[in-house]
Amino acid sequence: DAKTTQPTSMDCAEGRAANLPCNHSTISGNEYVYWYRQIHSQGPQYIIHGLKNNETNEMASLIITEDRKSSTLILPHATLRDTAVYYCITTDMEYGNKLVFGAGTILRVKS
Amino acid sequence: NAGVTQTPKFRVLKTGQSMTLLCAQDMNHEYMYWYRQDPGMGLRLIHYSVGEGTTAKGEVPDGYNVSRLKKQNFLLGLESAAPSQTSVYFCASSSTLRAYRHQPQHFGDGTRLSIL
Repeated sequence: DAKTTQPTSMDCAEGRAANLPCNHSTISGNEYVYWYRQIHSQGPQYIIHGLKNNETNEMASLIITEDRKSSTLILPHATLRDTAVYYCITTDMEYGNKLVFGAGTILRVKS
Repeated sequence: NAGVTQTPKFRVLKTGQSMTLLCAQDMNHEYMYWYRQDPGMGLRLIHYSVGEGTTAKGEVPDGYNVSRLKKQNFLLGLESAAPSQTSVYFCASSSTLRAYRHQPQHFGDGTRLSIL
């Protein structure tokens, strides 16, 4: 079973920041937080990952709380093409680098 | 750069028929994976491979077999298809660089399989 909890769906206005929360209260010390998204039934796409420090790349920012029990993915200027299902996954990336997907959050970006 | 390519993209089978789904990657990745995705759900891992000639069971392996005879290819077989195996199947691959362990998985576009 997935070890994260995410809201089922969220709406965001185009051009505004989209903040997607994720709870992972049972995360262990060697587990990373990964975010993927899936646009319209395509294959999932990697967004970002982090351990305990905040991370930023060209797609998004990841804010992890100090106790590591929750995190927030931030899309700074959401566009219509960001409408997708967003998955928050925790993994220690041990043998096989396996991922366990939950149901994710459906993000709808509206004009 | 093709990335991860899945063949075929669509297929309709009758109950009891067999078929093989092919996944090919051109990124020289060591790890490869097969997932299935049912409507409204996240992906579930069927089988995976950490290198040529090695395979391991994932979360939902029953009814499927896999083979990894070449590093770049990972085959998923259904010996006797059942309606419960109607799903979208995704293949993925990832690298495992010892200097930087955490490598993302790269996914194909999926195979939509219907079993009547």
